[in-house]
Amino acid sequence: QLQLQESGPGLVKPSETLSLTCTVSGGSISSPSYYWGWIRQPPGKGLEWIGSIDYRGDTYYNPTLKSRLTISVDKSKNQVSLKLDSVTAADTAVYYCARSGPGIRGATTSWGQGTLVTVSS
Amino acid sequence: SYVLTQPPSVSVAPAQTARIPCGGPNIGSKPVHWYQQKPGQAPVLVVYDDGVRPSGIPERFSGSNSGNTATLTISRVEAGDEADYYCQVWDSSRDQNYVFVFGTGTKVTVL
Repeated sequence: QLQLQESGPGLVKPSETLSLTCTVSGGSISSPSYYWGWIRQPPGKGLEWIGSIDYRGDTYYNPTLKSRLTISVDKSKNQVSLKLDSVTAADTAVYYCARSGPGIRGATTSWGQGTLVTVSS
Repeated sequence: SYVLTQPPSVSVAPAQTARIPCGGPNIGSKPVHWYQQKPGQAPVLVVYDDGVRPSGIPERFSGSNSGNTATLTISRVEAGDEADYYCQVWDSSRDQNYVFVFGTGTKVTVL
């Protein structure tokens, strides 16, 4: 059974870089046709897609975050990483790692439990 | 950018039917997926590709999609269905970049 586990600092200072890692078990991030993504949810608000990466390493980013965002994969560790630069309080949210597919229009069938990241000095 | 609009809330009595609309330009041309999220939990897929139920999801959950509106229908509503529901599509822009779009979310309250 596919499992996704987010990890990283729970507290980040304003203007610094938020870095999270998603470790995938029970499946390979190199599986064709699947997309590994990050989704966040500010406290009390709705879901916001951050970005995704496919098995070839092609990335798809939310246009509103694109200038600050890097998503990458480490196939040797079966991990997906998120880096978001120059964070502000507006980036405080629960961050979820997720897998969607098969195909670009496929549903998100697997989610991590989520990790709360607070941006504060 | 592509926007999916949902009503903020829907209230329904037990055993009745809840219908949650998701509006977007020509959404009928896109596969729509629906997620249920209970407090403190990650979302769970309840319907994909407009109207297909994943394994383990009760038959009470169904979906449809046509024109500018997709709809999630929950029949014979139970107290355990109380949750937030989100629709979602992938949209492609003119430069062929794909973006993943969530609806604004609907809180279903069971009276």
